[in-house]
Formats: sequence, structure tokens, C-alpha cells
Amino acid sequence: QVQLVQSGAEVKKPGASVKVSCKAFGYTFTTYGIAWVRQAPGQGLEWLGWISPYLGNTNYADNVQGRVTMTTDTATSTAFMDLRSLRSDDTAVYYCARWSYYGTLYAFDYWGQGTLVTVSS
Amino acid sequence: DIQMTQSPSSLSASVGDRVTITCRASQSISVSLNWYQKKPGRAPNLLIYGASSLQSGVPSRFSGSGSGTDFTLTISSLQPEDFAIYYCQQTYRTPGTFGQGTTVEIK
Repeated sequence: QVQLVQSGAEVKKPGASVKVSCKAFGYTFTTYGIAWVRQAPGQGLEWLGWISPYLGNTNYADNVQGRVTMTTDTATSTAFMDLRSLRSDDTAVYYCARWSYYGTLYAFDYWGQGTLVTVSS
Repeated sequence: DIQMTQSPSSLSASVGDRVTITCRASQSISVSLNWYQKKPGRAPNLLIYGASSLQSGVPSRFSGSGSGTDFTLTISSLQPEDFAIYYCQQTYRTPGTFGQGTTVEIK
């Protein structure tokens, strides 16, 4: 069955970088996009960006543009999100999600279990 | 960015109640609207896509409607497992912004 399995929790100091991985199982990795979404403590869901594993195209949210890089390794069906120059307000649970098309529409139909990233001095 | 506003922010309801949550977009988004259920410590779960299409495996007590700027998620008969936070998301333009969430609590 379809599964997205993310890497474990991270604790980082302000200014450092973090790289979160998301390994896909149960479907052809290059057929679907991968999106990244985060949820800060007590807050709602925030769309960070997405990547097409087939083409390598990316699209990032303005508030992380310049600090984030999303990549994929098609040989291992794994997506990565690299976030640099971490700040305390980057503390959040980070999710990867499969980007599925329904005709001309899209939605995130499968999600990883989430990775807690804590930024603290 | 397109802003999504949900109402109410929270509600209290009893098992068996009919529950309605609304979501308003800051501009027309056609039917590019999804609904997700989120429980603490768990990943979001897709309920409705394209404003009114039920995702496979989701109980039929969930339904969605609307187009343009105004949308509704309805739970026809609230069950104990439905107590959660519900988010709408527009996918008309990137970034695919989410509403602030509606918490459904036990009365």
C-alpha cells in the first residue's frame, strides 16, 4: 500500500540547517508530485512548496524562498527538504504529502507521519 | 496569496448532530477546494477534493459543496471519531493556502 515514511526528529540551533527525508513506498514515485507542509505548535497548516520527481520542477512559498531546497532521488524513491538559516519560528512538525491529480484538480492524498524540527539555542 | 477563512473557529456538538463548517476564499477559486481532517499527533487526512468529491474510503456522512468563493463541509451525523480539526485548502493557485482550521469538540 502507499506509504510515505519520514526521517526522525531533529533539534537544531538557530542559523543551522536541517534536511528531512521522505521515502515513498507502494507506487511509482515519478508519477506523483511531493509537497511539503508544516504545522507550528498551536498553529494551522502551512504550504511550503512542492517538487515534481519526474521533471525536477519546484515551487516554493514566498516565506521560505531562498532558504529552502526540495530535491528527489528517483533511484531510492525519496524526497528531501533542506531548510537553512533556521529560526525559532521554524520549529514545527514537517509533513511530506503525495500530490495527486484528479483531472485538472489536485489534492494531497497520502501523508508522511511528520518530522518534528525544534530550533532552540 | 489567496486567503482562506473558515467559520466558526470552533464548535461544540454531540454525537448524532449535523455539523456544518464554512470556508470562504478571498477570490474565486472555482471548485479547487479540498477538506482535510487533522487529529493530534497524526497526519492530515483528505476527506473531500474538488469541493464535493468524496475521497475513497471516507465515510459518506461527510459531504462538501460550493464553488467560487463559498464552500461548506457537512457531517450529517457526527460520530465519536469525528472530533478533530478540519482544514480547507485552495489549490487554484500556488501556494495552496489552508484555512485556519475549525475545531469540532464534544459537547
